[in-house]
Amino acid sequence: QQPVQSPQAVILREGEDAVINCSSSKALYSVHWYRQKHGEAPVFLMILLKGGEQKGHEKISASFNEKKQQSSLYLTASQLSYSGTYFCGKMNRDDKIIFGKGTRLHILP
Amino acid sequence: GAVVSQHPSWVICKSGTSVKIECRSLDFQATTMFWYRQFPKQSLMLMATSNEGSKATYEQGVEKDKFLINHASLTLSTLTVTSAHPEDSSFYICSARRARLGGELFFGEGSRLTVL
Repeated sequence: QQPVQSPQAVILREGEDAVINCSSSKALYSVHWYRQKHGEAPVFLMILLKGGEQKGHEKISASFNEKKQQSSLYLTASQLSYSGTYFCGKMNRDDKIIFGKGTRLHILP
Repeated sequence: GAVVSQHPSWVICKSGTSVKIECRSLDFQATTMFWYRQFPKQSLMLMATSNEGSKATYEQGVEKDKFLINHASLTLSTLTVTSAHPEDSSFYICSARRARLGGELFFGEGSRLTVL
């Protein structure tokens, strides 16, 4: 089953923060986050493997609440380069990754 | 990071013809590759899992006779869209995982198929 992402789209001004949520009705074994620019393939951002895990790189970080079966991606002081569509993916027991519908992020200068 | 190469980047074909898309892992061996399909402004939909040396496993609703997958070696998987029709026009993306289980997916550049 596809994870549910919210919001569907976000428009921000450069320097503002954003949060993208990802939730699942079934158990989440791990959560993957990717960003896709228009016309390009998705690019890996990070994986969260354990409940309670938090990770970050520069101004992008994520958390994973295994109990609540949800993950959130945090973008701090957004830059123009952050624009794109963000996908969360849940890994099933059979090792496949099923992606959410995506969250389109548009950063205005 | 690991590199996955996909070819061709785009292809235009006539209705009824077959098209082959190649996916190669350039610097690692991939026993498993995944094929996704993406329509404009939509999500990545998993089509099938390509397993080296064995048959591919297809997701529900994906016709295995229409989308032929061959995983000939540890670095190459091919997707052949047979008897293509306009509704098959889409962005096809392959991906591979370096680690045996778990781990990030490395995506190819994608192949945009347009069927006239």
